[in-house]
Amino acid sequence: DVKVTQSSRYLVKRTGEKVFLECVQDMDHENMFWYRQDPGLGLRLIYFSYDVKMKEKGDIPEGYSVSREKKERFSLILESASTNQTSMYLCASSFGTGGKNIQYFGAGTRLSVL
Amino acid sequence: SQQGEEDPQALSIQEGENATMNCSYKTSINNLQWYRQNSGRGLVHLILIRSNEREKHSGRLRVTLDTSKKSSSLLITASRAADTASYFCATDADGGATNKLIFGTGTLLAVQP
Repeated sequence: DVKVTQSSRYLVKRTGEKVFLECVQDMDHENMFWYRQDPGLGLRLIYFSYDVKMKEKGDIPEGYSVSREKKERFSLILESASTNQTSMYLCASSFGTGGKNIQYFGAGTRLSVL
Repeated sequence: SQQGEEDPQALSIQEGENATMNCSYKTSINNLQWYRQNSGRGLVHLILIRSNEREKHSGRLRVTLDTSKKSSSLLITASRAADTASYFCATDADGGATNKLIFGTGTLLAVQP
């Protein structure tokens, strides 16, 4: 079974802190994604990566950055956390395009910024 | 931008009844997928239907796709309390040119025991 592991289920941070959310997948997938999920807004793509050291902006990249130094690990960084970044963050990975673009998700990290 | 729109937003049924959820999308697709999310958890892939398929089955799930209407439906037959979850459709962005999926806002299904 594909396993996507997010480092924390719950996280509480203060405004202005630098926050790291870590995601690791064990299926040698090329693609990795970070989403945030808010009530009524569905999943919104923050960033994605299709290869090591490669990254592409999603729909809402402002206030976030990412790092992919190794194929299995994709990190989301909140440079200076703000209260409007309180949300559920979901990481996903997929093998490729076409019929192989099924995404496998981690359990999510619920981040509260106070 | 969100391409998939699920309908209804919320659905409450009794155990044993069938549940039907609909999804509409805007642009051409290579495939459409349905995912399930239990409260507070990540999404789990349920089924994928390709653009050249009209219907697909998996256990108690039946998915239809009408590319002329740009719509899909997910039918869960003989529902169980354990089916209570949010259900999302997802389409490949840019006609499959990228690896991205675009998710709808979901249908919240409550199955009453």
